[in-house]
Amino acid sequence: RKEVEQDPGPFNVPEGATVAFNCTYSNSASQSFFWYRQDCRKEPKLLMSVYSSGNEDGRFTAQLNRASQYISLLIRDSKLSDSATYLCVVNGGNYGQNFVFGPGTRLSVLP
Amino acid sequence: AAGVIQSPRHLIKEKRETATLKCYPIPRHDTVYWYQQGPGQDPQFLISFYEKMQSDKGSIPDRFSAQQFSDYHSELNMSSLELGDSALYFCASSLRGKIMNTEAFFGQGTRLTVV
Repeated sequence: RKEVEQDPGPFNVPEGATVAFNCTYSNSASQSFFWYRQDCRKEPKLLMSVYSSGNEDGRFTAQLNRASQYISLLIRDSKLSDSATYLCVVNGGNYGQNFVFGPGTRLSVLP
Repeated sequence: AAGVIQSPRHLIKEKRETATLKCYPIPRHDTVYWYQQGPGQDPQFLISFYEKMQSDKGSIPDRFSAQQFSDYHSELNMSSLELGDSALYFCASSLRGKIMNTEAFFGQGTRLTVV
């Protein structure tokens, strides 16, 4: 079982749709959680950190459920430019200080 | 703002050759990470350094070695290259906090092709 798991998708949604991604992690001692976005053949870019109380950044909302070891990302009013792979990333605990990546969820926003 | 700088951006090597990848972290960041990303795969952690000392080790082959220098830049040395080493190699840096790590920022990567 991978340490960080995600539905690989692809998620094909029309512009303006709301889409949600889920991620689970196996290490209960994990300390930090992030969502990164990666465009084809480019470097991962930080989308947002995920805090225990949940956090929102514009059209993006992240939630963390430590009891269920579950992280989510909600994208509202999808734009064509949101098309990318979304990587769930976990840090800390038994992972030490390295960042462990999930396999990513591919999103395609269609016109 | 300054970002993580990697060089070279592209590298073509033959089997059994050696390669050296360089990474310059964001100023004042004290931790450097190396990741390997094969085609269609997620980034796999290789190794990390904190304050010039090896911090964590992942799936780095014995043919590879890395170090962090006094100016905090890091180099990944790859010897006896194999076709399967062809991948994108990312370097990332972060500032290690007392309680938890801050987010990591990635360089644009080095695309290594072994022929």
